Amino acid sequence: EFVLTQSPGTLSLSPGERATLSCRASQNISSFKLAWYQHQPGQAARLLIYGVSTRAAGIPDRFSGRGSGADFTLTISRLEPEDFAVYYCQQYGSSPTFGQGTKVEIK
Amino acid sequence: EVHLLESGGGLVQPGGSLRLSCTASGFTFSSYAMSWVRQAPGKKVEWVSAISATGVTTYYADSVKGRFTISRDNSKNTLYVQMDSLRAEDTAVYYCAKGQWLSDNWGQGALVTVSS
Repeated sequence: EFVLTQSPGTLSLSPGERATLSCRASQNISSFKLAWYQHQPGQAARLLIYGVSTRAAGIPDRFSGRGSGADFTLTISRLEPEDFAVYYCQQYGSSPTFGQGTKVEIK
Repeated sequence: EVHLLESGGGLVQPGGSLRLSCTASGFTFSSYAMSWVRQAPGKKVEWVSAISATGVTTYYADSVKGRFTISRDNSKNTLYVQMDSLRAEDTAVYYCAKGQWLSDNWGQGALVTVSS
């Protein structure tokens, strides 16, 4: 089973700052099947990135994903107030697994 | 706009059963595989089950295999999961999601609590 480990657990930043979130897999993820989601409390989770670096429909370009093998990164170039949320990475092979999440909170 | 609304959550005793429903709108339901994922308190999000667009093919996580049954009614735009032999560790918020392995839309979730 793929185990995904996200770091840091919590990121305290101010609006306008850059956020860098990490997701490390227990083994290489083939076929670039790595996604990122944003989840606001009480709301539906939103797909941000799939295929490591492709933004989902309607996702602003301040969100970007990169990485390969077992190391992946989600970057939010300039935090907007609505970006403070929990972010999950997911590998979506035939037995999907998720990371434990990174909370981006207002400093 | 895609909208997924879960219903049927609640409190159930260990060993009991519950059926969750998910009503979909804003897309051609019958054209998409669907899935259920869950998140227990303080735990990672866990993929639970998926079903093909036609309903012919189903998939289950090992943790629920033999106890949960996923199904759909394309005439009603509704996804279901029948949960039997429930255990305390099944306590979680259950989310309906559009897609089989990768989900581009989720519902807001339904809380299932398994406790005596």
